[in-house]
Amino acid sequence: DGGITQSPKYLFRKEGQNVTLSCEQNLNHDAMYWYRQDPGQGLRLIYYSQIVNDFQKGDIAEGYSVSREKKESFPLTVTSAQKNPTAFYLCASSMDGTRRTNEKLFFGSGTQLSVL
Amino acid sequence: KQEVTQIPAALSVPEGENLVLNCSFTDSAIYNLQWFRQDPGKGLTSLLLIQSSQREQTSGRLNASLDKSSGRSTLYIAASQPGDSATYLCAVIFYNQGGKLIFGQGTELSVKP
Repeated sequence: DGGITQSPKYLFRKEGQNVTLSCEQNLNHDAMYWYRQDPGQGLRLIYYSQIVNDFQKGDIAEGYSVSREKKESFPLTVTSAQKNPTAFYLCASSMDGTRRTNEKLFFGSGTQLSVL
Repeated sequence: KQEVTQIPAALSVPEGENLVLNCSFTDSAIYNLQWFRQDPGKGLTSLLLIQSSQREQTSGRLNASLDKSSGRSTLYIAASQPGDSATYLCAVIFYNQGGKLIFGQGTELSVKP
């Protein structure tokens, strides 16, 4: 998994509940990303962070929140405002989010979130 | 809207065949294009990254080409094996997308013994 750990592997959410997905990396990467993957679709960017204490919304940020208090950690909270949260969530990191020409991404193994 | 498209969505071939996976993108102003492999229920593994100034990259039995002017990339897999069965995704960083990767939907490859 390239030094990126996501937990848990499976998560169930009840109606009206907030849940938090963990992502930790030991690659000393500056940039971290959260993607959502639905069956038969490509990945869609939820949030990304290029440096500690800073993050930006991606294409589908509504109903999600993040924090980046430490370089190694980028947790994602799926709030009750996200009405269709069932999906596979992938965390990724890259050495430097501002370098555009050689931007290899390393991914964690994912968290499958389902609604009870 | 800048998009990345992969056709077909699924492909099945017998073991030993050489095969080509296709990726098209709507704007030639890109920083790079990356091919990934995804096994069921797993994360993505980077296979090849082609920078804007390059025409192709090779790694073992894999060769990826890039033609920016036509908005196309191909991933060539030589002498396919059952272990190559997976979903292959391509992704592009467009100039005006703030460094974000835009992903295609993927091609699910099945190599039959």
